[in-house]
Amino acid sequence: RKEVEQDPGPFNVPEGATVAFNCTYSNSASQSFFWYRQDCRKEPKLLMSVYSSGNEDGRFTAQLNRASQYISLLIRDSKLSDSATYLCVVYLYSGAGSYQLTFGKGTKLSVIP
Amino acid sequence: NAGVTQTPKFQVLKTGQSMTLQCAQDMNHNSMYWYRQDPGMGLRLIYYSASEGTTDKGEVPNGYNVSRLNKREFSLRLESAAPSQTSVYFCASSIRDTTLGAQYFGPGTRLLVL
Repeated sequence: RKEVEQDPGPFNVPEGATVAFNCTYSNSASQSFFWYRQDCRKEPKLLMSVYSSGNEDGRFTAQLNRASQYISLLIRDSKLSDSATYLCVVYLYSGAGSYQLTFGKGTKLSVIP
Repeated sequence: NAGVTQTPKFQVLKTGQSMTLQCAQDMNHNSMYWYRQDPGMGLRLIYYSASEGTTDKGEVPNGYNVSRLNKREFSLRLESAAPSQTSVYFCASSIRDTTLGAQYFGPGTRLLVL
């Protein structure tokens, strides 16, 4: 099983739609989780951290399910400007200065007028 | 406040040539990182520097060396470029290594090795 897996998409959705992405991770000891956004030919940018209780930032909602080892990102009322690739990122700190940050390959979203 | 800057933006090398990719951050971050991103693959960590004066190998360090020149600057050197090193290289920084999940990335360097 790959460490961090995402559906590569593309997800093609109309403006105003709700879209959800899932990401699964293999190491149950993983501690922190993030969603990044990457526009075409640009650098990744932190979108939001994912907390155990779930968290919301405007139209974006992130959820964590530790039992099933997956995180999700829900985007409501999609805008054209949401078109990008969304990267799932998993952080594991194993002590003594040893840690690992693993990026998923990303899910591509295209919001269509 | 420029954030993370990288030079050059683009570079074409011939096999066997050497070059240094420069990275600087003005956010007073302690930790800095170098990644490569290839089509169909996630970002892969090449080297990182948890704090000034320290560097450690990441997932794909072969063929690269790094220097943490000071707190602001972290350079990546290709001593003898190979076509397999054709990639987009991103530098990133975080406040400290234990907050590395929240990273700020530079705009990237696109490298083509012929």
